Amino acid sequence: SQTIHQWPATLVQPVGSPLSLECTVEGTSNPNLYWYRQAAGRGLQLLFYSVGIGQISSEVPQNLSASRPQDRQFILSSKKLLLSDSGFYLCAWMRTLNTEAFFGQGTRLTVV
Amino acid sequence: QKEVEQNSGPLSVPEGAIASLNCTYSDRGSQSFFWYRQYSGKSPELIMFIYSNGDKEDGRFTAQLNKASQYVSLLIRDSQPSDSATYLCAAGGSQGNLIFGKGTKLSVKP
Repeated sequence: SQTIHQWPATLVQPVGSPLSLECTVEGTSNPNLYWYRQAAGRGLQLLFYSVGIGQISSEVPQNLSASRPQDRQFILSSKKLLLSDSGFYLCAWMRTLNTEAFFGQGTRLTVV
Repeated sequence: QKEVEQNSGPLSVPEGAIASLNCTYSDRGSQSFFWYRQYSGKSPELIMFIYSNGDKEDGRFTAQLNKASQYVSLLIRDSQPSDSATYLCAAGGSQGNLIFGKGTKLSVKP
């Protein structure tokens, strides 16, 4: 069976510090991978998606970047965090496009 | 801008009643639709998906799709307090990604 791991579960970072969130998927190959952010009282905002190694598409201009160094690894990064980067970050995978997405446990990021 | 709209609620129903959650979508090209349940502080978990017009039943849950009206609904029969959560509707977008609504908060009162 497929599983998705995302860590850490919670993170408190000062403004201006770097960020690295990692997500890995097990039990499948060539998954479509996604990073979403969910701010308080708002819906799920798609940040990045990847259909293959080294292929990253960005949905919104922002202070964040993503990379996919391996088939089942997806990394979300920032060089300098802003207060507005606070939120609940979710990694997800889909077997193929327009099918169901499965989410990791999420990372609650608080920038102080 | 492709959108999925949901009433934010809260929707309050008594235990044992039917909860009805609704969703509309703007992209006529969407072919796949999903309902997720999200407990407070947790990640969304898939409840059901539906691709064809009509009803799809799974246990206490029934998803309904009407592509002509661009309308998706989720019925929860015999609602339990453990069903209290935020329910997210999602539609498959033209680029293959899922577009999520902001969710409807459901409260089931004992």
